[in-house]
Amino acid sequence: AQSVAQPEDQVNVAEGNPLTVKCTYSVSGNPYLFWYVQYPNRGLQFLLKYITGDNLVKGSYGFEAEFNKSQTSFHLKKPSALVSDSALYFCAVRDGNYGQNFVFGPGTRLSVLP
Amino acid sequence: EAGVVQSPRYKIIEKKQPVAFWCNPISGHNTLYWYRQNLGQGPELLIRYENEEAVDDSQLPKDRFSAERLKGVDSTLKIQPAELGDSAVYLCASSFGLEPNYGYTFGSGTRLTVV
Repeated sequence: AQSVAQPEDQVNVAEGNPLTVKCTYSVSGNPYLFWYVQYPNRGLQFLLKYITGDNLVKGSYGFEAEFNKSQTSFHLKKPSALVSDSALYFCAVRDGNYGQNFVFGPGTRLSVLP
Repeated sequence: EAGVVQSPRYKIIEKKQPVAFWCNPISGHNTLYWYRQNLGQGPELLIRYENEEAVDDSQLPKDRFSAERLKGVDSTLKIQPAELGDSAVYLCASSFGLEPNYGYTFGSGTRLTVV
């Protein structure tokens, strides 16, 4: 079975500071990992993905994520946070060998303070 | 290109009433998903279609939920009768097959409130 954990319900960071939103996963086969962002009253928007290749993945709006196989993690990062980055962030995983569907984490609410 | 379109955006109904949600996926996307997102939680899959076939409905509460995807394009999700615990956001997503490089595209969702 595949699962995703986002250990922090809420992350607060000052504008201009770096941000990290944590994600760990569990799959039997190769992981396909995604990050999505959700703004109020909106659907989920794709940020970035890791399928294979370079462990550092760059995505939309200046976000990046690092795949760490030994720690089974896929933390989302941004060097300098903006107030407009405040939203709900979801990590999702699919087992590349055995899974047909994505499983989403519970979400982390990011608040960037001016 | 138009995204995934869902309607209505909001729906308030009394318990025991029926309700239906509609989804129009991105043109050419043969895989369609319905997810339910409870407040403060991540989306949970209800059903996945490949073309007009429901290939995974293991998480769909079949006593009151039903879905259809006639002609493999638009889809409708129905609840009859609705219960208070059904209050949630119902998200539709589509993709081009299951290849992960294509990812999902989500609609804006339908927020259901059962009173």
